[in-house]
Amino acid sequence: AQSVAQPEDQVNVAEGNPLTVKCTYSVSGNPYLFWYVQYPNRGLQFLLKYITGDNLVKGSYGFEAEFNKSQTSFHLKKPSALVSDSALYFCAVRVLTGTASKLTFGTGTRLQVTL
Amino acid sequence: GAGVSQSPSNKVTEKGKDVELRCDPISGHTALYWYRQSLGQGLEFLIYFQGNSAPDKSGLPSDRFSAERTGGSVSTLTIQRTQQEDSAVYLCASSLGSGGNNEQFFGPGTRLTVL
Repeated sequence: AQSVAQPEDQVNVAEGNPLTVKCTYSVSGNPYLFWYVQYPNRGLQFLLKYITGDNLVKGSYGFEAEFNKSQTSFHLKKPSALVSDSALYFCAVRVLTGTASKLTFGTGTRLQVTL
Repeated sequence: GAGVSQSPSNKVTEKGKDVELRCDPISGHTALYWYRQSLGQGLEFLIYFQGNSAPDKSGLPSDRFSAERTGGSVSTLTIQRTQQEDSAVYLCASSLGSGGNNEQFFGPGTRLTVL
């Protein structure tokens, strides 16, 4: 079975500082990894994905994520946080086995960026 | 362009009543997914439709839950004899196909409250 872990319920960072939101995964097979963001009272918005190729993936709003196969991690990063980045972030994994095209999500990490 | 839309945005119902939730996917998207987001539970996969194939119902929590997708477009999620534990935000998503590299686009969700 595939699973995703987001070990931090909340991450606090000051505006202008770098941020990292952690994600580890467990799959049998090659993972397709995704990050989504959810702003208050809004649906999930796609940020970025890793399919294959370069381990460093760049996405929307200046976010990037690094795929590390040996550590089975896919941490989300941004060099300089903004207050407007405050939201709920979800990591997800998908493995193509049979009809298993659904995403398995982590429990989410709330990012709070303060002035 | 038009994204995934869901209706109603909010639904309050009494325990034991049936409810129907509607999802309009992005035009041309062949894959459609339903998820449930409960407080503190993250996102839980419910059901997945791909074209004319039989749906993947593996995530439906009980036989009170059912979904259909008419004409390969609009989908309706039906919950019969609602229970208080059904209270959650129900999210619909669509993607171009079921391939692993296709990101899912989410609607704003329907917040269901069962009194």
